[in-house]
Amino acid sequence: GIQVEQSPPDLILQEGANSTLRCNFSDSVNNLQWFHQNPWGQLINLFYIPSGTKQNGRLSATTVATERYSLLYISSSQTTDSGVYFCAVEGGGFKTIFGAGTRLFVKA
Amino acid sequence: DTAVSQTPKYLVTQMGNDKSIKCEQNLGHDTMYWYKQDSKKFLKIMFSYNNKELIINETVPNRFSPKSPDKAHLNLHINSLELGDSAVYFCASSTSMNTEAFFGQGTRLTVV
Repeated sequence: GIQVEQSPPDLILQEGANSTLRCNFSDSVNNLQWFHQNPWGQLINLFYIPSGTKQNGRLSATTVATERYSLLYISSSQTTDSGVYFCAVEGGGFKTIFGAGTRLFVKA
Repeated sequence: DTAVSQTPKYLVTQMGNDKSIKCEQNLGHDTMYWYKQDSKKFLKIMFSYNNKELIINETVPNRFSPKSPDKAHLNLHINSLELGDSAVYFCASSTSMNTEAFFGQGTRLTVV
């Protein structure tokens, strides 16, 4: 099956800093989503981005499907950005595979 | 309006008991899922239903049985609960297979 690797596994930022989270996948995918799991456990949809680039406020994402990776950019980070960021892909067999996540802590 | 709602949010029960978690979505989606998130935050799909039909049944013990009475509901029944079943269970839905999925708030199950 498809392997999904996220990096870095852990990230500590000072408030206001920028960061890039990466998601690599081992095979072609039909779709790709980025989620934020906040400290209360809620899974929040950030982007549905099987290819191309999207932006939503301080967040943007780019998926290069032919090279099997996606990037999530967080600019001017805030303490409320803390949590776990997941990449999830569906590559066939109708199974969505999640990466292990990047744990982000933003310090005030 | 809550798009995907699960009840209960927390569930503490003794080993050997049988329990159910309910999930409802008001998005008009055709596909619903159950995921399990373990203590290390790893998320894994358990089941998916499309138009009330079981599509995916991962290697989950047969003590877990999903039931979809209609397209808007997918409940999860667990028999003979074990300590290892303790986890957070998420329900999700999407318009169809392979499209954007939306998650409920999760049910934290603790088996003691």
